[in-house]
Amino acid sequence: DVKVTQSSRYLVKRTGEKVFLECVQDMDHENMFWYRQDPGLGLRLIYFSYDVKMKEKGDIPEGYSVSREKKERFSLILESASTNQTSMYLCASRGSGETQYFGPGTRLLVL
Amino acid sequence: QKEVEQNSGPLSVPEGAIASLNCTYSDRVSQSFFWYRQYSGKSPELIMSIYSNGDKEDGRFTAQLNKASQYVSLLIRDSQPSDSATYLCAVTRPGGTSYGKLTFGQGTILTVHP
Repeated sequence: DVKVTQSSRYLVKRTGEKVFLECVQDMDHENMFWYRQDPGLGLRLIYFSYDVKMKEKGDIPEGYSVSREKKERFSLILESASTNQTSMYLCASRGSGETQYFGPGTRLLVL
Repeated sequence: QKEVEQNSGPLSVPEGAIASLNCTYSDRVSQSFFWYRQYSGKSPELIMSIYSNGDKEDGRFTAQLNKASQYVSLLIRDSQPSDSATYLCAVTRPGGTSYGKLTFGQGTILTVHP
């Protein structure tokens, strides 16, 4: 069974704080993804990584950065959190097949 | 025009009925199509994938793909209250550097009432 875990289920941060969201997968997958999910907008891709230290911007990368130092771990960083980054953040991983496996999500509230 | 479009619903059907969920996509060269189910407060889980024109059946679920019309649908037969969830349509972006990136629709909320 593929397992994708995220460091926190719920987070409350203040405007301007630097926020780290961590994602770990245990299936040796090359590809990892960060999405945010907002009502009425579906899932939108923020960044993805296709190998260690390799990354590409998704559709909405502004205000975010990522880090992939090890194959199993993909971190999303909010450099200076803003209220419009309040959202559900979902991490996913994919191996050689087409299926993306999602983590449980982190609900972030920025005050 | 959104790349992947779904009716947001909510779609309400009685128990035992057929639920029909629809999705259109704008990029004609899209190659792979997926339906994810997301229960409230949970993460999406894959329930169906389809790659070629026609129907694909898995238990009570049937995915239908029509590439000429750029249309993919999901039928749920004998709907159960446990099928109540948000259903997300996703399309793989074509191209060698896509690394399997998915574009999602906004999701359709399905409610099956007893």
